[in-house]
Amino acid sequence: NAGVTQTPKFQVLKTGQSMTLQCAQDMNHEYMSWYRQDPGMGLRLIHYSVGAGITDQGEVPNGYNVSRSTTEDFPLRLLSAAPSQTSVYFCASSPGSRGRDEQYFGPGTRLTVT
Amino acid sequence: AQKVTQAQTEISVVEKEDVTLDCVYETRDTTYYLFWYKQPPSGELVFLIRRNSFDEQNEISGRYSWNFQKSTSSFNFTITASQVVDSAVYFCALSEGAAGNKLTFGGGTRVLVKP
Repeated sequence: NAGVTQTPKFQVLKTGQSMTLQCAQDMNHEYMSWYRQDPGMGLRLIHYSVGAGITDQGEVPNGYNVSRSTTEDFPLRLLSAAPSQTSVYFCASSPGSRGRDEQYFGPGTRLTVT
Repeated sequence: AQKVTQAQTEISVVEKEDVTLDCVYETRDTTYYLFWYKQPPSGELVFLIRRNSFDEQNEISGRYSWNFQKSTSSFNFTITASQVVDSAVYFCALSEGAAGNKLTFGGGTRVLVKP
């Protein structure tokens, strides 16, 4: 198993540009989520999905869209990038939606918006 | 709302010293789960331990040990006889049973182990 994969690893955008961060998992996990990591603030939840076709907002959803058309994929879209979205983005998956389930994190995408 | 506080932003020790990382949490739920993750310099997040709110038994795994105390809402982590490979950022996190898998992370503690 490849686990959770994310592409790209690094990305530089100009303000106003759009892009999609890709996330895929091959463990048939129901639950997937996106976090952003900023210095001194730990990780904060952006969006999550409890299964294909179902998504919901986390703590910091503004400026981001998600969709979940398949169990395996959970892309994160930035419609109009802003410097405040400069961050490291992590995708995670877990077998279920119970709070006790361990989450498996991808390697991260480092995004810089100039 | 749930909250996790890691008051220590950075700890520097010399190899073989013990180091304890503090984690204090806030939650209104009676069912919740606490986690520790390690983020080495390479950047990935590595799961270390999960503890549920009904199990206050302390745990030891090799050089790692965890002390969970509901009375003080703390879930502290100790590395015994630290090694250079322990240098990383360590995150404490909380999920509430009613909120599913949504993790609330602390700000992290950077541990630097010098040879």
